[in-house]
Amino acid sequence: DQQVKQNSPSLSVQEGRISILNCDYTNSMFDYFLWYKKYPAEGPTFLISISSIKDKNEDGRFTVFLNKSAKHLSLHIVPSQPGDSAVYFCAASPGISGAGSYQLTFGKGTKLSVIP
Amino acid sequence: EAGVAQSPRYKIIEKRQSVAFWCNPISGHATLYWYQQILGQGPKLLIQFQNNGVVDDSQLPKDRFSAERLKGVDSTLKIQPAKLEDSAVYLCASSLVPGGETQYFGPGTRLLVL
Repeated sequence: DQQVKQNSPSLSVQEGRISILNCDYTNSMFDYFLWYKKYPAEGPTFLISISSIKDKNEDGRFTVFLNKSAKHLSLHIVPSQPGDSAVYFCAASPGISGAGSYQLTFGKGTKLSVIP
Repeated sequence: EAGVAQSPRYKIIEKRQSVAFWCNPISGHATLYWYQQILGQGPKLLIQFQNNGVVDDSQLPKDRFSAERLKGVDSTLKIQPAKLEDSAVYLCASSLVPGGETQYFGPGTRLLVL
């Protein structure tokens, strides 16, 4: 059962335009959401996060939107740059458990290609 | 600051053989994670250590996988015996404190089981 879903395996966007990556989740216990970026042959790197008490978080060109009622979040990249070409993973966490575990559940990823 | 180091970077073995992966976290990071990423999937947490104690190993297939973090620094992940479905990238991550934002990932070890 996939608790975090990224239904678009790939996305192509022209340089300078907006990239929108989508993510849906099913587990109501998730209250913290993160986006990671991954280049080939490298490990994922943290990009941006959002807590369930917010509906928007912005960091430079990157903005994450959360719609709790729809169990949906999205990552907006504006403007898109060729260096943004990578695989983007959405991840969710129920927050700290009694044992101190912040177990992350990842989606399958969306490969973004920004065309110059 | 040196990142998370992993070795080997690639490994090819036959099914039923044993294999071990090594991870050296960022200096001072108390929390260490091992993830398995099968092709086309997102990373899945196998085990989380806090210093040298296990915090979460609920998704570790304990009949064939084992991990240790002696002295609370380096860690090894072992598979014995390997199955075809163990072919994946094994990612190690570390963080100063538990949390998603603070996890730094290594480059991973790509395992192919034939």
